[in-house]
Amino acid sequence: GAGVSQSPSNKVTEKGKDVELRCDPISGHTALYWYRQSLGQGLEFLIYFQGNSAPDKSGLPSDRFSAERTGGSVSTLTIQRTQQEDSAVYLCASSLSGGSSYNEQFFGPGTRLTVL
Amino acid sequence: AQSVTQLGSHVSVSEGALVLLRCNYSSSVPPYLFWYVQYPNQGLQLLLKYTTGATLVKGINGFEAEFKKSETSFHLTKPSAHMSDAAEYFCAVSDGGPGYSTLTFGKGTMLLVSP
Repeated sequence: GAGVSQSPSNKVTEKGKDVELRCDPISGHTALYWYRQSLGQGLEFLIYFQGNSAPDKSGLPSDRFSAERTGGSVSTLTIQRTQQEDSAVYLCASSLSGGSSYNEQFFGPGTRLTVL
Repeated sequence: AQSVTQLGSHVSVSEGALVLLRCNYSSSVPPYLFWYVQYPNQGLQLLLKYTTGATLVKGINGFEAEFKKSETSFHLTKPSAHMSDAAEYFCAVSDGGPGYSTLTFGKGTMLLVSP
């Protein structure tokens, strides 16, 4: 079956522009996560969705970052007024349920964002 | 909050040699622990996980890890390295809040395998 997919795979943008990153989770997975992987900070949790709601947004680094999930499926991470420090690989993961630590998180290949 | 420390950002071994990647964690509750592998330009793939029960966990590709509560460690080993094992390895501990879990990762260890 299909795994987690993300688009675009690479995104180059200019400082100050807005970007949208998309994640398609595995069908039937109710939990969805966004992580950021950067050279200085390693892998950091950003936001968690259970269905369409986001009970944990604690990892979003600033109010320029937002995310939504529609139909319990596709999620979009939006970064407004991008800054150079936003350059990173943004990883999406999904799991059957967020309620159990037993459930493996399956990761997508990521979107590499470069802010010039 | 939980935390994970991986000792050594880079580890170099020869093909056929023992692989040992170190991971120590900090957790206020019984932890669930994971090792993920990341090949270049790919996402993370789960190697193995410890939840409860047997403290020696076997994973894919011949890797295994042992949970040692007294040492708060979860080191990853493989008896004989193969060239295809060259990748970055991440140790993670489950985190989150009531009714859900997220992952807190270590900084990662790049495994280099020489012929």
